[in-house]
Amino acid sequence: EAGVTQSPTHLIKTRGQQATLRCSPISGHTSVYWYQQALGLGLQFLLWYDEGEERNRGNFPPRFSGRQFPNYSSELNVNALELEDSALYLCASSLEGLSYEQYFGPGTRLTVT
Amino acid sequence: SQQGEEDPQALSIQEGENATMNCSYKTSINNLQWYRQNSGRGLVHLILIRSNEREKHSGRLRVTLDTSKKSSSLLITASRAADTASYFCATVISTAYKYIFGTGTRLKVLA
Repeated sequence: EAGVTQSPTHLIKTRGQQATLRCSPISGHTSVYWYQQALGLGLQFLLWYDEGEERNRGNFPPRFSGRQFPNYSSELNVNALELEDSALYLCASSLEGLSYEQYFGPGTRLTVT
Repeated sequence: SQQGEEDPQALSIQEGENATMNCSYKTSINNLQWYRQNSGRGLVHLILIRSNEREKHSGRLRVTLDTSKKSSSLLITASRAADTASYFCATVISTAYKYIFGTGTRLKVLA
């Protein structure tokens, strides 16, 4: 069974640009979560999608947005990039709801210069 | 302290020794999960313990949950160099509709 996949592995952007990160969940999983992990820090919850709907978002500005497609894959968009957006962005999937373990992808390392 | 705060922040032990990490949280939870992260990559799920459970085992891992103290501990027995990683607890609060991860414990097992 294929795990959660993320693309690209690395992404280098300049300040002010837009970044798009992609995630494919494990087959059968309907929930997708996005997290930001700045260097040496814990995971900060960004977004939770389930069945194509945004269920919750963390304390991040509106320039962080995303969507979930009918095949349950997801996209995270970060507009007007700032230097402090440099981080590892992790995607996870699970069965519907919050009662199940999350399966994480390898992450996308975003560097903003 | 933050929800899901681990201690110690860092732990260094010799191979073969046991490692204990603790997680404290503030609000009532549905379940608590422990994850491992190697070298800044994706997290790997270790154990999920529900609020009505007190202890769970998985191989060399033992997790306890004390809801009265709002704390959990992860014990790794007979540690190996391959256990070197960061360990995170994550609490699930249904009313908050999200997982909250702690700051993590960095474990280093010396061969």
